[in-house]
Amino acid sequence: GDSVTQMEGPVTLSEEAFLTINCTYTATGYPSLFWYVQYPGEGLQLLLKATKADDKGSNKGFEATYRKETTSFHLEKGSVQVSDSAVYFCAYKETSGSRLTFGEGTQLTVNP
Amino acid sequence: KAGVTQTPRYLIKTRGQQVTLSCSPISGHRSVSWYQQTPGQGLQFLFEYFSETQRNKGNFPGRFSGRQFSNSRSEMNVSTLELGDSALYLCASSPSGAGGEPQHFGDGTRLSIL
Repeated sequence: GDSVTQMEGPVTLSEEAFLTINCTYTATGYPSLFWYVQYPGEGLQLLLKATKADDKGSNKGFEATYRKETTSFHLEKGSVQVSDSAVYFCAYKETSGSRLTFGEGTQLTVNP
Repeated sequence: KAGVTQTPRYLIKTRGQQVTLSCSPISGHRSVSWYQQTPGQGLQFLFEYFSETQRNKGNFPGRFSGRQFSNSRSEMNVSTLELGDSALYLCASSPSGAGGEPQHFGDGTRLSIL
């Protein structure tokens, strides 16, 4: 069935390090892809999105490119900050319908 | 613009009881979805409502139900609570739920079953 697979965590980095969180999906059709972030005690916040192949979503220094040939949507940031410490979720949504299918989540901890 | 509001933030219930959670979507949003978040199962889709009709449903037992009112506010009900129902319940809204529209989430209701 349709699914999303994220790289296993947790991930621990030093401030200003480069971040990559891998995400691959299995879906039929042409889904829209999202990254959400969850801070402790809060709900999910939309980080970025891409709705078609080769689209690049970007926000707050984070980027992800919709790669249909590799069914991937890896999240990257060139220089992480302590404030980026959170859980990151990759998700997709089918063209028809509003159901989001999420990956397992990746806990990121950034140390000063 | 106010975000998605969920009430209450925390609930403690005992097995066998029932519970109702409330969600007020962003103004103008007509699609409301509910998700359950647990450490073991992650984020799982419960159901979606649009214009007072359930449009999509996840793989949960019939104890989980919901409804939507004419002002798009939604409620979720869980009957005969089990220990495994302890979770963070998240509500999300979007204008119509279609295509590449992102969903906007509330801060959730933390339900604990004793």
